[in-house]
Amino acid sequence: DVQMTQSPSSLSASVGDTVTITCRASQSISSYLNWYQQKPGIAPKLLIYAASTLQSGVPSRFSGSGSGTDFTLTISSLQPEDCATYYCQQSYSTPQYTFGQGTKLEIK
Amino acid sequence: EVKLVESGGGLIQPGGSLRLSCAVSGFTVSNNYMNWVRQAPGKGLEWVSVIYSGGNTFYADSVKGRFTISRDNSKNTVSLQLNSLRAEDTAVYYCARENIYSSGWTHFDYWGQGTLVIVSS
Repeated sequence: DVQMTQSPSSLSASVGDTVTITCRASQSISSYLNWYQQKPGIAPKLLIYAASTLQSGVPSRFSGSGSGTDFTLTISSLQPEDCATYYCQQSYSTPQYTFGQGTKLEIK
Repeated sequence: EVKLVESGGGLIQPGGSLRLSCAVSGFTVSNNYMNWVRQAPGKGLEWVSVIYSGGNTFYADSVKGRFTISRDNSKNTVSLQLNSLRAEDTAVYYCARENIYSSGWTHFDYWGQGTLVIVSS
């Protein structure tokens, strides 16, 4: 199985800041990488797919980059509503999809 | 409007069985890849199972031989039969549609609200 490792596990930032979350795959997954946002008690929401394509309706302050084994999710101009847990997910090794362990983002 | 609504969760003793259902509106289940993803309390997301539009089914190693995914085309629902339940199966179970591109990219674009399964004596 492809293992996905996110860092950091948690972070705290202020409104207006730019934050970066990284995701590393245990083997090359090309650009088969998705990012989800999950708020407490709510199902995950797709933010970015194919490593860098913004899902329709998602604010442009979210962006993704990377290929191979190393990927990043960047949130610029942080907003209070961005407080959530963020997960990466590989879709290379179908159908044995795997998620990162999550990154909890707190707004100061 | 697309809507996925799970049901069937509850408290069950170890070794017991439960059947989860996911009622879908807004698209046809049989034309899509439908997945189950679970989340243990306070933990991350774990893919559980998928049923392809062609009917093929796949499972995570952790549930293989115990869980069975199926669909009812007449009711536009997807189900997950959970047998031989263990404490570690305690989780919120989400059904999710897998959107697939000709390039091979896939992602889960529509999710239900989840149904909680608690395995405990």
